[in-house]
Amino acid sequence: DVKVTQSSRYLVKRTGEKVFLECVQDMDHENMFWYRQDPGLGLRLIYFSYDVKMKEKGDIPEGYSVSREKKERFSLILESASTNQTSMYLCASSSPGTGGDTQYFGPGTRLTVL
Amino acid sequence: AQSVTQLGSHVSVSEGALVLLRCNYSSSVPPYLFWYVQYPNQGLQLLLKYTTGATLVKGINGFEAEFKKSETSFHLTKPSAHMSDAAEYFCAVRNDMRFGAGTRLTVKP
Repeated sequence: DVKVTQSSRYLVKRTGEKVFLECVQDMDHENMFWYRQDPGLGLRLIYFSYDVKMKEKGDIPEGYSVSREKKERFSLILESASTNQTSMYLCASSSPGTGGDTQYFGPGTRLTVL
Repeated sequence: AQSVTQLGSHVSVSEGALVLLRCNYSSSVPPYLFWYVQYPNQGLQLLLKYTTGATLVKGINGFEAEFKKSETSFHLTKPSAHMSDAAEYFCAVRNDMRFGAGTRLTVKP
């Protein structure tokens, strides 16, 4: 079974702190994604990566950055956390294919910024 | 750019009743369409997907969806709801990784 793990299920941080959210997948997938999930808005894509050291902005990259130094690990960084970044963060991975690649999701990290 | 619209943020059905969750998309190219389910305190998992070929797609737990190009729709159905189907359901257009806002399904005994 594909497994995507996220470093924390719940996280509480203070405004202005630098926050790291870690995601690891064990299926040698090329593609990795970070979404945030908010009620009524569904999932919104923050950043994604198709290869090591490669990153692309999604729909809402402002206030976030990412790092992918190894194929299995994709980190989301909040340089200076703000209260409007309180949300559920979901990581996903997939392998490219001609059939439309399925994304496999981690359990999510619920981040609260005070 | 593509977009996904899920009609109805909340749907409530009785156990044993038909489940119908609506999804419409806009796309300038043939889409890859997905339905995912999210149970409480869990990540999303794939229910079913349409890529090419047969327009009626069967998924896990008795769910199915039909791709209707003329209506730009990909509605999710299940003939008989079960209590365990209570969850949030997301429609997605995979080509540019866009998700709908989600529909929360409640199943009443």
